[in-house]
Amino acid sequence: SQQGEEDPQALSIQEGENATMNCSYKTSINNLQWYRQNSGRGLVHLILIRSNEREKHSGRLRVTLDTSKKSSSLLITASRAADTASYFCATDGSGYSTLTFGKGTMLLVSP
Amino acid sequence: KAGVTQTPRYLIKTRGQQVTLSCSPISGHRSVSWYQQTPGQGLQFLFEYFSETQRNKGNFPGRFSGRQFSNSRSEMNVSTLELGDSALYLCASSLLTQETQYFGPGTRLLVL
Repeated sequence: SQQGEEDPQALSIQEGENATMNCSYKTSINNLQWYRQNSGRGLVHLILIRSNEREKHSGRLRVTLDTSKKSSSLLITASRAADTASYFCATDGSGYSTLTFGKGTMLLVSP
Repeated sequence: KAGVTQTPRYLIKTRGQQVTLSCSPISGHRSVSWYQQTPGQGLQFLFEYFSETQRNKGNFPGRFSGRQFSNSRSEMNVSTLELGDSALYLCASSLLTQETQYFGPGTRLLVL
């Protein structure tokens, strides 16, 4: 079963608007990552936030992590058409476990 | 540095055949993970290799196997292909497990 679950499943906005995607997970983590995938291609790493961090920024991206609620959010500010893609959160577990991905949020940014 | 490369990019096979996919990680990366992506199941972890040892394995049948060579290149093999094996197979490398993974473009496998 998926560790991370993104919400919403799909999001449609206009260029210039902000896009917020949420991720919930079930077990304790060491870190949580967000990836982007364009049209069935390989995934591109966006940002990694560690369990002892609450917020992280990278360019137009802002990620928050609430370990008490087992949730994270990804905010993309001033969206562009080029941001159209699927966005996945990925969590690890304890020990040597590798990443577990959610089913993703499909973001459509219209010009 | 060159990124993760995967070969072949596209593959068409028939049921019952076997297939081998190849992945070359970023230079210096010792961890290679494989994922299967389908519209229905999403991204599912297949296995992870670190320094030629399989450290983790996902919930896939024994028809799915892999290995890693001393230069960190990895191969995965699927024997006795089934229609449901049609998917995008993604390889990712990282310096260490649980750190940022860098993905290749994937191999799209179609089983007829």
